[in-house]
Amino acid sequence: ETGVTQSPTHLIKTRGQQVTLRCSSQSGHNTVSWYQQALGQGPQFIFQYYREEENGRGNFPPRFSGLQFPNYSSELNVNALELDDSALYLCASSLAGGRGQYFGPGTRLTVT
Amino acid sequence: DQQVKQNSPSLSVQEGRISILNCDYTNSMFDYFLWYKKYPAEGPTFLISISSIKDKNEDGRFTVFLNKSAKHLSLHIVPSQPGDSAVYFCAASVTGDDKIIFGKGTRLHILP
Repeated sequence: ETGVTQSPTHLIKTRGQQVTLRCSSQSGHNTVSWYQQALGQGPQFIFQYYREEENGRGNFPPRFSGLQFPNYSSELNVNALELDDSALYLCASSLAGGRGQYFGPGTRLTVT
Repeated sequence: DQQVKQNSPSLSVQEGRISILNCDYTNSMFDYFLWYKKYPAEGPTFLISISSIKDKNEDGRFTVFLNKSAKHLSLHIVPSQPGDSAVYFCAASVTGDDKIIFGKGTRLHILP
């Protein structure tokens, strides 16, 4: 059984640039959620994808967008990066309706 | 507006003793509560959960207690072991809403 994987592990971007983060869900899981964890904070829900559609969204602006592919992998895109976007971005996969979410190791994004 | 609060940023406990981590919540709609454990450079790992219809759930050394009237839950670890040193996140969710709301976390140090 393959766990949740994320790429890249870390990256550095400049304010105003765009970034794409990737996530492969755990084998058999059809739902992917993305979270942002700022320094000293708990993870904050960005959005969730199920069957390639957005299925719930947290309090994040539209410049945060995502995709889910037929193989259930997912991308998080952030446009017009701001300094406050610097954080650990976590992906979690689960079965629709299931209670358990399994997290990947995260992507550490630094915006300068 | 923090719906899930962990008021102790850190806690130090002697190896072999009991560790008690506390969590308060404000949203009375929460009906499922979870504890996650996080090591550096890894994603959060699910530890234990409890439904609002119960007041206690036990899994080996870990026990979660829920006091709905006080909107309070706690995680007990007995006996504490060196490998328990990590950041512990309390989290909550509402049935039908797949997002999980996390607290800011408590860093647990197990002292030799």
